[in-house]
Amino acid sequence: DAKTTQPPSMDCAEGRAANLPCNHSTISGNEYVYWYRQIHSQGPQYIIHGLKNNETNEMASLIITEDRKSSTLILPHATLRDTAVYYCIVRVEGGANNLFFGTGTRLTVIP
Amino acid sequence: DAGVTQSPTHLIKTRGQQVTLRCSPISGHKSVSWYQQVLGQGPQFIFQYYEKEERGRGNFPDRFSARQFPNYSSELNVNALLLGDSALYLCASSFPFSGTEQYFGPGTRLTVT
Repeated sequence: DAKTTQPPSMDCAEGRAANLPCNHSTISGNEYVYWYRQIHSQGPQYIIHGLKNNETNEMASLIITEDRKSSTLILPHATLRDTAVYYCIVRVEGGANNLFFGTGTRLTVIP
Repeated sequence: DAGVTQSPTHLIKTRGQQVTLRCSPISGHKSVSWYQQVLGQGPQFIFQYYEKEERGRGNFPDRFSARQFPNYSSELNVNALLLGDSALYLCASSFPFSGTEQYFGPGTRLTVT
């Protein structure tokens, strides 16, 4: 699976949009981009995933560049409960469930 | 419906001992994966079991083993514990084998002294 690069930490004001970047320059054509987050002392939680089109669900939006070498997770209106470590993962669809987490981005939402 | 459950919540063991951790997947989920999360790092994949067979293994020594039971619950065993085995052990379930979304349990915090 391709590796990902994320900034170690980011701050965001409560109520503002949080934009979390991820670089995955070696992504293959059959690899999807997944985002999970881990709130302190809890197990990771799935957020969203996509292949090449932008995706949106009730939690977030995922914007993938046309060359698929990078993506951005957008939390439209960050709340204090969104403070967590966010992991960007690339994974082949249909393969084993062996997610390779990096060190992620620690997002702190500031009141 | 109950989520993924793991037991025990916390555990303290001594170097050289053996430990067994347990996981019950979400009802209807047939795949269970185990991860190790050392403090300050992301989770690292250990095993995936599907339909009671090992379907994936991460880069962990043979001291680590697991199995899955007919009811799809799973156990992770670690023998000859080392200080470096101290970590949060996470279990995740999904359906089917390559389920899009994995559901993680709260983890078992293992401390080796």
